[in-house]
Order: sequence, then C-alpha cells, then structure tokens
Amino acid sequence: NAGVTQTPKFQVLKTGQSMTLQCAQDMNHEYMSWYRQDPGMGLRLIHYSVGAGITDQGEVPNGYNVSRSTTEDFPLRLLSAAPSQTSVYFCASYTRGGESSGNTIYFGEGSWLTVV
Amino acid sequence: AQTVTQSQPEMSVQEAETVTLSCTYDTSESNYYLFWYKQPPSRQMILVIRQEAYKQQNATENRFSVNFQKAAKSFSLKISDSQLGDTAMYFCAFTPHPNSGGSNYKLTFGKGTLLTVNP
Repeated sequence: NAGVTQTPKFQVLKTGQSMTLQCAQDMNHEYMSWYRQDPGMGLRLIHYSVGAGITDQGEVPNGYNVSRSTTEDFPLRLLSAAPSQTSVYFCASYTRGGESSGNTIYFGEGSWLTVV
Repeated sequence: AQTVTQSQPEMSVQEAETVTLSCTYDTSESNYYLFWYKQPPSRQMILVIRQEAYKQQNATENRFSVNFQKAAKSFSLKISDSQLGDTAMYFCAFTPHPNSGGSNYKLTFGKGTLLTVNP
C-alpha cells in the first residue's frame, strides 16, 4: 500500500515555464486536495476534489489548474510559473469512510518547487 | 468560513518537561474534527492526535493529549515528558464532519507553532 505518491520531489523552473505536479493514491479515496506551504503561512488550500470529474477552488487557486479524470490521480498544473509560486506543495487524500478510516487524511511527502 | 489560530509562533521546552501548544478555531459547524499534525524537518506531515467534536472525552495518544473546550472553541495540545524527537512544527487543523452536509471537506490549518526541545 503506497498511500499518496507525489512527483517530482524537487523541481526548479524558469519564470514562464509550465509543469505538472503529479499526485496518485491507491486507497480509493474520494477526496483529494493540493496545499502549498510557505513560511509563516501554514498550509493553504489550492484546489480540491470530492470525486472523479469534480473539482473546486480553495483559498489560493490563481495560477493553478487541476483535473480529476480518475479516482486515483489528481495532477496540479502550473501553466506559466512565477517566482511567487516558489513553495512546498502537498497532496492529500481522504475518505468519509467508517469510524475506522473516516477523516484520516493522508499526505504525500511534499514537492519542493523553485521558480527563478 | 472556518479559521484556525495558533497564537504561539515558537516555543521551547526542556527535555522531559511538559509543554502545551494553544489552538483556537472559529466555525458555525456543530460537528467537526480537529487535528494536531507534526511536521519534522523532513517536512513529512504526521498525524499526532484527532478529536471528534461530538465526543466529550479528550483524545489521548501516549504522551500527547488534548484539552478540547467546545464552547470556548479551544483545542490545546499537551506533550508530556518531552523528547528531542518532538522538535518539529506543529499544526492545528479543522475539518467539518463529512455528514454535516455539502461538499465542504476542506481541511483548514493554523499557521503553526515551532517547538524546540532542548537537552
């Protein structure tokens, strides 16, 4: 059971480049989300999904796109990277489930992105 | 909208002593979950403890316990017998209960408290 897998772990981009952060989970969780972590700001929600084909914006969605074509995958796309998007990104998944599994949120190991 | 406030950006404690981290939150939900997550220098997010709002009893996990005051919307974390490995950033987090209706699964974090355990 791999849990939540994020790739790449480290990435350096030039301003204006595009890239996709990949996130995959093998727990059949219906909920997935992306957060960014910046010093002194905690974790802020970028986008989230409550199931395949359904996504919505979080607190800081500008500059990011997402899609959820399958239950397992939830990629985060930066269409034109900016230095302000330098951050650590976390993917998380979650299920409503039952008492034994509900509301346990699983995080990926993080992706360090630097935009120069 | 939910908010989570951690008023202590940094704290330090001597090894083997007890420390309490504060967290307050604001919500109109009646049923929800509260969490404490630990983030060591590796940046991995580790669940420390979870509290369900409809349960009166405070959650406990080994050396970690919470003081949950629902009316005051307070959720503090007590670490007993502090160890060097407890040095980390600690985040308080909130999410509505999935049965509260709508699609509001959002997990809202506080800004974190950096805890340093000194030898």
